[in-house]
Amino acid sequence: GAVVSQHPSWVICKSGTSVKIECRSLDFQATTMFWYRQFPKQSLMLMATSNEGSKATYEQGVEKDKFLINHASLTLSTLTVTSAHPEDSSFYICSARDPRGRPTEQYFGPGTRLTVT
Amino acid sequence: QKEVEQNSGPLSVPEGAIASLNCTYSDRGSQSFFWYRQYSGKSPELIMFIYSNGDKEDGRFTAQLNKASQYVSLLIRDSQPSDSATYLCAVYSSASKIIFGSGTRLSIRP
Repeated sequence: GAVVSQHPSWVICKSGTSVKIECRSLDFQATTMFWYRQFPKQSLMLMATSNEGSKATYEQGVEKDKFLINHASLTLSTLTVTSAHPEDSSFYICSARDPRGRPTEQYFGPGTRLTVT
Repeated sequence: QKEVEQNSGPLSVPEGAIASLNCTYSDRGSQSFFWYRQYSGKSPELIMFIYSNGDKEDGRFTAQLNKASQYVSLLIRDSQPSDSATYLCAVYSSASKIIFGSGTRLSIRP
């Protein structure tokens, strides 16, 4: 099956700094990637849909100026958490859609655990 | 009303028994339905998908879909301790997004 990687797998940063998380599709070209956030014992919440070469589409309630998404190539999308605060501490997971398959098929990355101190 | 609802559990099942997980959804336009397994601290892993009404079997897993009742279920036969995890029901909505339920924690006791 298709493989999606994320880097880093975990990161600790100080309040007020910015953190960049990378999501890569390793064996296919992903025109669409998705970013999710998951707080402890809660479900995955879609933050935004990232389309290669265009602006991301953010879900209601997600601050686009705080969570910057760049989908600069067909294999890479990045999420930058700007001016991070402790309440941004969460598990961030990306997924990618393989255009060769069904639109409903998404492949998840392993996730990035962000801790803001 | 949540778009995808699941009982949060925990659901405790003895080893070797059948575990039954349930899910309801609100968007009648939904066409595709998924069950993911998530171990603590890990990303979700797709274990079943179903598009048509009825049953779909894959090994020890059976997914059941009833679109009229807006109901999806997952049966796990011969439950093993390694099946202990959180099971997420997900629906591909008419808005072309995958919406997740809050998950059911399953515990298989030896």
